[in-house]
Amino acid sequence: AQKITQTQPGMFVQEKEAVTLDCTYDTSDPSYGLFWYKQPSSGEMIFLIYQGSYDQQNATEGRYSLNFQKARKSANLVISASQLGDSAMYFCAMRDQGGSEKLVFGKGTKLTVNP
Amino acid sequence: NAGVTQTPKFRILKIGQSMTLQCTQDMNHNYMYWYRQDPGMGLKLIYYSVGAGITDKGEVPNGYNVSRSTTEDFPLRLELAAPSQTSVYFCASSSHRNAGAFSGNTIYFGEGSWLTVV
Repeated sequence: AQKITQTQPGMFVQEKEAVTLDCTYDTSDPSYGLFWYKQPSSGEMIFLIYQGSYDQQNATEGRYSLNFQKARKSANLVISASQLGDSAMYFCAMRDQGGSEKLVFGKGTKLTVNP
Repeated sequence: NAGVTQTPKFRILKIGQSMTLQCTQDMNHNYMYWYRQDPGMGLKLIYYSVGAGITDKGEVPNGYNVSRSTTEDFPLRLELAAPSQTSVYFCASSSHRNAGAFSGNTIYFGEGSWLTVV
């Protein structure tokens, strides 16, 4: 069974600094996909970034980058130049490879950006 | 751009009552999902469907039922509501992608439905 572990219940960062949110995963499938979602206090799920297991380069999307270390089974999210609007819950998720594309989520990390 | 639409957004139920959460998508996606999110937790899969007429259980299906009579609609039925079903419910949809064509931003979530059972 696939499993996602986020060990940081909460993180604090100063505005304009970078922050890394940890995610480790467990799967026996050679082909898988890893996602990060942001959930602000309003509740919606916002897609941030995706990394495929066969992707040669680490994914980047604007201020978001994914530090993908396949051998260590980790997919940490790096947010550069933090903004007050980045304060939210962040979830790491893995795509099921059984053909249904359903997601397995971690418990999330609450990020607070301080001015 | 409607995307995935869930109704109602908020609902209070009494123990033992039943209700249906509605979910509609207008993207012609074949895959649809219902997740629940308990306070301070990640999302857990309740039921999913890979096409009209096909449904399957997820991680936490007890106390729920679904149907998929059309591609667009995937209602979630709560029978005999219990306090343990107090949660936020998310409907989502996606389209099947061949290996190598997956971009990541292909799973679309509704805005969530807040349900309280008292």
